Amino acid sequence: QKEVEQNSGPLSVPEGAIASLNCTYSDRVSQSFFWYRQYSGKSPELIMSIYSNGDKEDGRFTAQLNKASQYVSLLIRDSQPSDSATYLCAVPGGYNKLIFGAGTRLAVHP
Amino acid sequence: DAGVIQSPRHEVTEMGQEVTLRCKPISGHDYLFWYRQTMMRGLELLIYFNNNVPIDDSGMPEDRFSAKMPNASFSTLKIQPSEPRDSAVYFCASSPGLRGYGYTFGSGTRLTVV
Repeated sequence: QKEVEQNSGPLSVPEGAIASLNCTYSDRVSQSFFWYRQYSGKSPELIMSIYSNGDKEDGRFTAQLNKASQYVSLLIRDSQPSDSATYLCAVPGGYNKLIFGAGTRLAVHP
Repeated sequence: DAGVIQSPRHEVTEMGQEVTLRCKPISGHDYLFWYRQTMMRGLELLIYFNNNVPIDDSGMPEDRFSAKMPNASFSTLKIQPSEPRDSAVYFCASSPGLRGYGYTFGSGTRLTVV
């Protein structure tokens, strides 16, 4: 079984700061990675996907992938209170199925 | 597109009763997944289907759980008999199965077994 590890947090950052969320995985052959955001009481929502080493930017979000070190991170620039949520990292666990980490709870305070 | 539709949103039942959760995937999505989420164990994959055929049910906790997908637009997850430890949020998700799309989750069913 593939392992996906995340720090459960909470990660507390002030409004306007950069939030850095990290995820490590055990399977060296994983090719694609996903970040989901889950607000309290809601369902997970896909916010980023990344397949190649390096950075991928989408608005205030940047996903970073380092396959050699087996980690993927999510940076949130200019953090807003509305970014307060749990962020789940997911990696493929087989034929089109995703294995999710336990999630990191982010709290952005004004 | 209405997204993935799950029903009911909340279910409270007594131990020993049968519970049926329902899911309608996004039209055109060939993959359907059932996940369970608890504070202790996070999101766990229970079973998934491809073109209505169960592909991997290794996450189904025991024989009390069963899932069906009689057609491309409907799936059920049944627990019989239910136990208090089954209390969790059950999510259905669907995917077109193409790289880069990830999953789209339904709103979930919060199950409480008393």
